[in-house]
Amino acid sequence: EDQVTQSPEALRLQEGESSSLNCSYTVSGLRGLFWYRQDPGKGPEFLFTLYSAGEEKEKERLKATLTKKESFLHITAPKPEDSATYLCAVRDGGSYIPTFGRGTSLIVHP
Amino acid sequence: GAGVSQSPSNKVTEKGKDVELRCDPISGHTALYWYRQSLGQGLEFLIYFQGNSAPDKSGLPSDRFSAERTGGSVSTLTIQRTQQEDSAVYLCASSENGQGGAFFGQGTRLTVV
Repeated sequence: EDQVTQSPEALRLQEGESSSLNCSYTVSGLRGLFWYRQDPGKGPEFLFTLYSAGEEKEKERLKATLTKKESFLHITAPKPEDSATYLCAVRDGGSYIPTFGRGTSLIVHP
Repeated sequence: GAGVSQSPSNKVTEKGKDVELRCDPISGHTALYWYRQSLGQGLEFLIYFQGNSAPDKSGLPSDRFSAERTGGSVSTLTIQRTQQEDSAVYLCASSENGQGGAFFGQGTRLTVV
């Protein structure tokens, strides 16, 4: 059974204070690791897909990296508008159903 | 349309009534997912469609829940004899072929009173 653990559960940062969110996973034959952003009252917004260890993707202040056991979402010089819940999900080779983590709630104070 | 569209955005129903939730996926996306999200909880998988068929219904919580997809496009999630524990946000997502990231709708907030 696929398992996804995200840490920390909640993170408070000052504007400009860079940090990283962690997604640890256990999966049989990774076929994709996905990062999403979810704002209150809205559906998750797709950010990145990573497929293999060593892969990196960037979008504005966000950079996602992947190893064989975990993924990091690095946030560089965050702004208040980066405040949201960030979700990680994995899909294995035997299923088209991604398994989601519980998310990290990020608050960036001005 | 440009994105996944769900209707209604909000639904208040009385306990015991049936409800239908609709999802219009992104045009051309063959994979469609339904999830449920309760307050402060993670995403709970309900059902997955590939085209019109549902190869995985394992997440449906009871036989009161059913879903169909017609023409490889629009999907309807039906909850019969609603209970208070069914109150949640129901999210629909679609992806091009089930392999890449999925795109979510804004959700339907269901409240059973």
